[in-house]
Amino acid sequence: QVQLQASGPGLVKPSQTLSLTCVISGDSISNGLYYWAWIRQPPGKGLEWLGYLYYSGTSYNNPSLNTRVTILLGASKSHFSLKLASVTAADTAIYYCARFRTQGSSDAFDIWGQGTEVTVSS
Amino acid sequence: SYELTQDPAVSVALGQTVRITCQGDSLRTYYPSWYQQRPGQAPVLIIYGKNDRPSGIPDRFSASSSGDTASLTITGAQAEDEGDYYCNSRDTSSGRNYVFGSGTKVTVL
Repeated sequence: QVQLQASGPGLVKPSQTLSLTCVISGDSISNGLYYWAWIRQPPGKGLEWLGYLYYSGTSYNNPSLNTRVTILLGASKSHFSLKLASVTAADTAIYYCARFRTQGSSDAFDIWGQGTEVTVSS
Repeated sequence: SYELTQDPAVSVALGQTVRITCQGDSLRTYYPSWYQQRPGQAPVLIIYGKNDRPSGIPDRFSASSSGDTASLTITGAQAEDEGDYYCNSRDTSSGRNYVFGSGTKVTVL
């Protein structure tokens, strides 16, 4: 059974860089069958796709966040990370990691982690 | 920026049928995926592709598409179906961006 677990500091100061890690169990990034994604949800609001990563290290980020987002492979093939620079209160959200499958015209985030809550505040 | 439009909220009587819609240009090309989010929980994939359900998802959930509008139908709604529902699709202009709909809150009466 594939499981994902996101973790990181629950509190980040404005202008700092948020760093989160997603640990994968029951699967491996290196199998090349899936992409690995980050999605967030501000309090009381909807979901926002942040970006995804392929086993080769290639990543693609949401252009609305410009260059603030970086998604990286972990040292092992069982985890990947998110870095979000220059955070503000608007970045306060639950951050989810998810497995992403793309097959022709059919794409889906098929496995989600439980999410980790991040508050940006001084 | 590209958007997928959903009705903010719908209600359905227990055991009845409800349809949730998602509208956007990309839906003419791509099938959306649909997610259920119960209060305090992570989203769960319930429909992908033309009308495919992951293992464990009840067959009362089904999907259809016509033009720029996709629909998720719950036939015989149960109390546990209450929650927020989101569609997601690729942005055709970029081919790589993914966008979630604004979400529809389903209340089972």
